[in-house]
Amino acid sequence: DTAVSQTPKYLVTQMGNDKSIKCEQNLGHDTMYWYKQDSKKFLKIMFSYNNKELIINETVPNRFSPKSPDKAHLNLHINSLELGDSAVYFCASSVSNTQYFGPGTRLTVL
Amino acid sequence: GENVEQHPSTLSVQEGDSAVIKCTYSDSASNYFPWYKQELGKRPQLIIDIRSNVGEKKDQRIAVTLNKTAKHFSLHITETQPEDSAVYFCAASIGSGVYGGATNKLIFGTGTLLAVQP
Repeated sequence: DTAVSQTPKYLVTQMGNDKSIKCEQNLGHDTMYWYKQDSKKFLKIMFSYNNKELIINETVPNRFSPKSPDKAHLNLHINSLELGDSAVYFCASSVSNTQYFGPGTRLTVL
Repeated sequence: GENVEQHPSTLSVQEGDSAVIKCTYSDSASNYFPWYKQELGKRPQLIIDIRSNVGEKKDQRIAVTLNKTAKHFSLHITETQPEDSAVYFCAASIGSGVYGGATNKLIFGTGTLLAVQP
C-alpha cells in the first residue's frame, strides 16, 4: 500500500521516560512533518524536513528531537516525558503544498 | 504570525440539508487553502483545496469559495449524509515552493464538529 505509516499506534508511558515514534512514507515525497493534536483537537505543526534537512522548528521544547535518516523516514524522539506531552502525534508528507497524514500515535503520559 | 479562525465549532444539520463552515485567515500572503475531514480516531484526510488564483472549486457535493479581499474561505457541503459526520478543519499556508514545500507551514483552524442527523 502506498501510504504514510507510523508506529506505534498507542504509547502509554510514565513521566520522565524517553520514547520514540517512527514514521515512514512510500509516496516518494521529499518533505515530511510532525504535528501535535491536543485534547481539544487543535492541530499544530512541530517540525518539517526536506530531504533529511530540518526546515521548520516551531518553538518546540528541545526535549523533542526529530531525526530523518533518509527522506522516506522521519522519527520523533521525546526525552523526559511530561504530562502535557499527552496528545496524538501525526506524521505527514507532502508534494508541493498537499500534505498527507499518517494514522497518528496516541501518546499517554501517566 | 498567521492565524486562522474557524466557525462554527459545532454544526448539526438534518440529512439532505446543506452545511457551511467558514474560515478567516490573517496573513494576506497565504496562497493555499486545504480542507481536511477527520473522523473519530482517524487521520485528517484532504477533501478539497483551493489556491489563491481561483475563487471557487467544486467536487461533487463539496465546494470551497475564497474571497481574498476579505481573507475568508468557506466549505459548502450539499445534500449531507450521515457519513459526512466528522470534524472538519480548514488551513492556510504560505507556499513558497522552497525546499519542495517544506516551508509551506499549514496553519489549521480550530475545527468544526459536523453532525448529520438521519
